[in-house]
Amino acid sequence: EVQLVQSGAEVKKPGESLKISCKGSGYSFTTYWIGWVRQMPGKGLEWMGIISPGDSDTRFSPSFQGQVTISADKSISTAYLQWSSLKASDTAMYYCARRLGGGRFDYWGQGTLVTVSS
Amino acid sequence: QSVLTQPPSASGTPGQRVTISCSGSSSNIGRNPVNWYQQLPGTAPKLLIYSNNQRPSGVPDRFSGSKSGTSASLAISGLQSEDEADYYCAAWDDSLNGGVFGGGTKLAVL
Repeated sequence: EVQLVQSGAEVKKPGESLKISCKGSGYSFTTYWIGWVRQMPGKGLEWMGIISPGDSDTRFSPSFQGQVTISADKSISTAYLQWSSLKASDTAMYYCARRLGGGRFDYWGQGTLVTVSS
Repeated sequence: QSVLTQPPSASGTPGQRVTISCSGSSSNIGRNPVNWYQQLPGTAPKLLIYSNNQRPSGVPDRFSGSKSGTSASLAISGLQSEDEADYYCAAWDDSLNGGVFGGGTKLAVL
């Protein structure tokens, strides 16, 4: 069974760093790209970026380029989303998802809620 | 302002047929397949339609998708109360070299 399991909720202060994770199981992790999607409170889905776990090739939405880092450790089938200096506006639910042909996300993680508040 | 444009809301009564539109441009819907997602309250999104009109295993045939030019549509027939959710269209955008979502449509079953 394909599963993506994300790390737990985080509460951080502005300016702090953070790295959240997404562990895949039940399939060959390096075969499919992993994507990250943001959902701010009460708002819609936003496509952030994707990574190929096999070679760490990444693509970013222009809105998120330079704002976050996406990485992966194929040895432990885990993808990461990272911030070096959080802002209050980074408060959101973040989802990882497996990406298939045609860009579709077929399996999704349960989401990681990130709250940034002083 | 989303790259793909959806109506913010839609509604119907049980048993009715409703459609949700998704308007894009030549750099996204015009050149690439459209996918649709359903997000029930408090849950992660779920893939509903892929490659314009394909249903993943387990999705009822009450859900169907279509695409014409730079627009796409999701149709739900035989509307049920459990269809009350947010629906999002998505596609790859060649100009942005990334994916884009529509703003989402909240479907109410009256």
